Amino acid sequence: AQKITQTQPGMFVQEKEAVTLDCTYDTSDQSYGLFWYKQPSSGEMIFLIYQGSYDEQNATEGRYSLNFQKARKSANLVISASQLGDSAMYFCAMREGPGGTSYGKLTFGQGTILTVHP
Amino acid sequence: DADVTQTPRNRITKTGKRIMLECSQTKGHDRMYWYRQDPGLGLRLIYYSFDVKDINKGEISDGYSVSRQAQAKFSLSLESAIPNQTALYFCATSGADRNTEAFFGQGTRLTVV
Repeated sequence: AQKITQTQPGMFVQEKEAVTLDCTYDTSDQSYGLFWYKQPSSGEMIFLIYQGSYDEQNATEGRYSLNFQKARKSANLVISASQLGDSAMYFCAMREGPGGTSYGKLTFGQGTILTVHP
Repeated sequence: DADVTQTPRNRITKTGKRIMLECSQTKGHDRMYWYRQDPGLGLRLIYYSFDVKDINKGEISDGYSVSRQAQAKFSLSLESAIPNQTALYFCATSGADRNTEAFFGQGTRLTVV
């Protein structure tokens, strides 16, 4: 079964600094996708970035990048130049591809609360 | 209009009552999911459906049931609500490919007293 672990319940960062949010995963499947979502205090889930298991390059979307280390089964989110509006809960998630025992299920980690200080 | 709409947005109900949370989507996706969010536990999967005739239990399905009335509609029922079902509930939908993100509703905050 697939599993996602986020070991940082809370993180603090100074405005304009970079921050890394950790995510490790466990799967026996070779084909899978990794996602990061942001949940501000208003509660909605906002998709940030995607990384496929066969992608050779790390994904980037604006100030978000994903540090994907397949051998270590980690998919850390890097936020550059933090802004006050980045303060939110961040979730890592994974979906296995065909052939996986958890095919199609989207499994989430526990989340990390990020606080950006001015 | 939102791609995924959940009703109600907020609900307070009494222990033992039956309650239904409804979800509809306009994305045209086959896959739909119900999650609950509790502090420190992230989002946990209750039920998921890959099409109208395919419904599967997630990791915490006890005490819940679902109905997929149409491709666009997926409802979650609590047959006899209990206080530890107090949580934020999310409906989501996604395409079939592993690289497609899930689209979430705004959430339903349910309180069982």
